[in-house]
This record gives sequence, C-alpha cells and structure tokens, in this order.
Amino acid sequence: QQQVKQSPQSLIVQKGGISIINCAYENTAFDYFPWYQQFPGKGPALLIAIRPDVSEKKEGRFTISFNKSAKQFSLHIMDSQPGDSATYFCAALSYNTDKLIFGTGTRLQVFP
Amino acid sequence: DTGVSQDPRHKITKRGQNVTFRCDPISEHNRLYWYRQTLGQGPEFLTYFQNEAQLEKSRLLSDRFSAERPKGSFSTLEIQRTEQGDSAMYLCASSQITGGPHSGNTIYFGEGSWLTVV
Repeated sequence: QQQVKQSPQSLIVQKGGISIINCAYENTAFDYFPWYQQFPGKGPALLIAIRPDVSEKKEGRFTISFNKSAKQFSLHIMDSQPGDSATYFCAALSYNTDKLIFGTGTRLQVFP
Repeated sequence: DTGVSQDPRHKITKRGQNVTFRCDPISEHNRLYWYRQTLGQGPEFLTYFQNEAQLEKSRLLSDRFSAERPKGSFSTLEIQRTEQGDSAMYLCASSQITGGPHSGNTIYFGEGSWLTVV
C-alpha cells in the first residue's frame, strides 16, 4: 500500500525556472513531512521539512506548501540551477511510529 | 565530518555468503535506523533502535537479517545466506529524540552501503 504518492516521476526545467513536485498522503496520523535530496550514489540529504500546523515554510530557494485538508504538500524550487539536478523524495512520519514513509521520488534535471 | 558513517560503502558477494554492515551514527544521537533502497525506489524502513534497544522490525526483515546496537552507539546489520534479491543500498540514519512526541525528530542519513549479490 503506497501511503505517500509523489508526482511527477521526472521533471525537466530550464535554468532559472521553477520546479514543482507534489505529494499526497493518506494517513492522517502523519505529523512531520520532510523532503530529501539524493544525488547518484549518495544517501538522502534532508532539504527542508514542515509540520502540519503551518501552511508554508521557506528556506532560501526552497519552499514547502502544505494543505492539511487536502492531505497534500509540495516542494517548490525557485530559480532552479543545474546543481539542483538530483532525485527528490517526499516523506511522511508519525511520531508515534517514528518510521519515515517515502514517496517514489522525482528525478529533476535542470538544463542551462 | 560528524555525520552518519557507514562501512563498507560497496560490497560484492556471492549468493549464500554472509555480509555485515557497520553504522556509526551522529555522536549523541539516541535513535538509529536502518533502511533499504533499491534502484528507482524510495528508502524502505527495516528497523530502528532507541539506544541499545531494538524497538521495531519491519516485515521486510526476514530471519536472515539481524541488527544489533550493543552499546547504544554503533550498529551492525548482518545478512546471512545472501540472495540476489538482497542486492540494494542499505542506509543507516540517526536522530536525537529529546522529549515526547512532537519534540522534533530530524533524521539524518548516511551515504549508504551498496550490496551486490552475484
């Protein structure tokens, strides 16, 4: 059972453009939603995270938008750069279980 | 570097052999997790420890898998009688739980240990 659905599977963006990745979850017990960035051959690196009591969190060029009623959240990368080319995973966690449930990933390619 | 450290980074083994991976978490982190990631997929939870106590094991963790964290610091993940289906990246992660629920749980991953079973 896929508890966190992520789309699109792949994304091509021109340098300077906005990259948008969407995730939807089913379990209302989730209460922590991180995004991880992963380069080939490397482990996932925490990018930004949000709790459901806020609707938006911004850190530099990265913004999470969170819609609790729709059970959806998204990552926006402003002014996308070639160095942002990586696979991005959304995830969800319930503090009661302390298990991260990952989406299937989005491969982002930013062309100069 | 004081991040999560994993060793070895790559391991090629013949089917039927045993392999062991080691993880050194971020210093002072009391929680340690093991995840498995196959190509094109997100990481999947295997097990986790609170200090030396193993709190939960996923159904993905068959009897051939065993994890330990004997002194509440480093951890080992052993796979016995490896099968080709065990080929994956094994990720270790750690976090510091400072209080009750909602007190914060930022989970940091290591670089992973790649296993290829031939």
